[in-house]
Amino acid sequence: EVQMVQSGAEVKEPGESLKISCEASGYRFTTHWIAWVRQMPGKGLEWMGMIYPDDSGTRYSPSFQGQITISADKSVSTAYLQWSSLKASDTAMYYCARRFPIGSGWNFDYWGQGTLVTVSS
Amino acid sequence: QSALTQPPSASGSPGQSVTISCSATSNDVDVYKYVSWYRQHPDKAPKLLIYDVSKRPSGVPDRFSGSTSGNTASLTVSGLQAEDEADYYCSSYAGGNNLSVFGTGTKVTVL
Repeated sequence: EVQMVQSGAEVKEPGESLKISCEASGYRFTTHWIAWVRQMPGKGLEWMGMIYPDDSGTRYSPSFQGQITISADKSVSTAYLQWSSLKASDTAMYYCARRFPIGSGWNFDYWGQGTLVTVSS
Repeated sequence: QSALTQPPSASGSPGQSVTISCSATSNDVDVYKYVSWYRQHPDKAPKLLIYDVSKRPSGVPDRFSGSTSGNTASLTVSGLQAEDEADYYCSSYAGGNNLSVFGTGTKVTVL
C-alpha cells in the first residue's frame, strides 16, 4: 500500500529556518516525482515544485523559486521542503504528493496528510 | 503562463448533476490536453478524480466525467451524493517552467 507520511505541525517565529519531511512507502521511491503543494488558510492549492528522487532533479514554480529548497534522501525514501528564513506569510498547510505514473500530465495520486506550518511572533 | 479560473460555487440536489468549468487565461493549447480534477473535503488532502481531460484513475466512480470544449474544460458530477459536497480544483500544465498550476477552486454544495 502506497503511503506518504508527513512530519508533524510546526510553530516557528519569523526568520527561523525549517525543514519538513514526507516519508514514502509502498512503491519504488526513486522513480516517481514528488511534489509539494501549499494551501494557505481558507485558500486554494498552489504547486510549489517537485523532485525526482533518483537524481534529485528539481523543478520549481516561478512563484516559489529562490524561496524554498526541495530535496530528497533515497536511503530513507523521504522528500523534504525547507525554508532558510520563514515569514508570517508562509503560514499554511503543506502537502506532499506523488506523481501519478499514468498519463501525460503532472497529476498527483497519493498525498500526504499535510503539515501545518504556523509562523508567528 | 496560464492561470486557471473556476466559478467560486456550484450546487445541486441529491441525484442531480453539477458541472464545473475551468478556463485558462492563456491560448496555450497544451493547457487543455493535460487537465486534471481533484476533490478536497475540509481538512483533508485532495483526491485525484480525472486526469488527461477525461480519464479516471482506478477506483473513481463513473459518476465523475471530464471534457473540454473550446477554451473551457469541465467536470461533471452525476448522481450527486452528500459526500460530493467539497471543494473541486482543476489543474494543468501552465507553460514555461510552471509544470503544474491549480485552478481557483469551486465549492460544491449538495442541497
